[in-house]
Amino acid sequence: GAGVSQSPSNKVTEKGKDVELRCDPISGHTALYWYRQSLGQGLEFLIYFQGNSAPDKSGLPSDRFSAERTGGSVSTLTIQRTQQEDSAVYLCASSLFSDTQYFGPGTRLTVL
Amino acid sequence: DQQVKQNSPSLSVQEGRISILNCDYTNSMFDYFLWYKKYPAEGPTFLISISSIKDKNEDGRFTVFLNKSAKHLSLHIVPSQPGDSAVYFCAASGSGGSNYKLTFGKGTLLTVNP
Repeated sequence: GAGVSQSPSNKVTEKGKDVELRCDPISGHTALYWYRQSLGQGLEFLIYFQGNSAPDKSGLPSDRFSAERTGGSVSTLTIQRTQQEDSAVYLCASSLFSDTQYFGPGTRLTVL
Repeated sequence: DQQVKQNSPSLSVQEGRISILNCDYTNSMFDYFLWYKKYPAEGPTFLISISSIKDKNEDGRFTVFLNKSAKHLSLHIVPSQPGDSAVYFCAASGSGGSNYKLTFGKGTLLTVNP
């Protein structure tokens, strides 16, 4: 079956611009996660959605970051007024409840 | 403060030999540990996991060992194959309400030479 998909695969933007990253989870998965991997670092948890519960936003690094999950499926991660330190690979994962997380291929964001 | 540490950025082994990847953690609340494998331009894929109630879990060529007293786990791959060449991430999660939140190490690049 189809795995987690993310778009775009690459995004280059100028400092100060807003960007939106999209994630399509595996159909039927109740949980959706966003992580980011900066150069030379491990994956860093950003946000977690589970069903209709309030999301866990504890990993978002600043109020420039926000995420939505519409209809319990597709999610969008928005970064406002991008900074160079936001450059990273943004990874989305989904799971059935809190079971094994399956990752998408990621979006490589470069802020010039 | 890194709670999950993979101190070897890279490891090179010969095909057919054993690969041993190591991981240390500092948070004693972690009770579930996972290994993910990542090829370039792909997302991490789940490989194997272990609960803190066990000290060993085996799946084919892959075995994970957990030493809770030392806060150390290792992944053994026997025999290693060239297709195993990838970055391996160790991850951990805690019990309770935030058991979904994985904390990852920085990864170890494994190269298996033919």
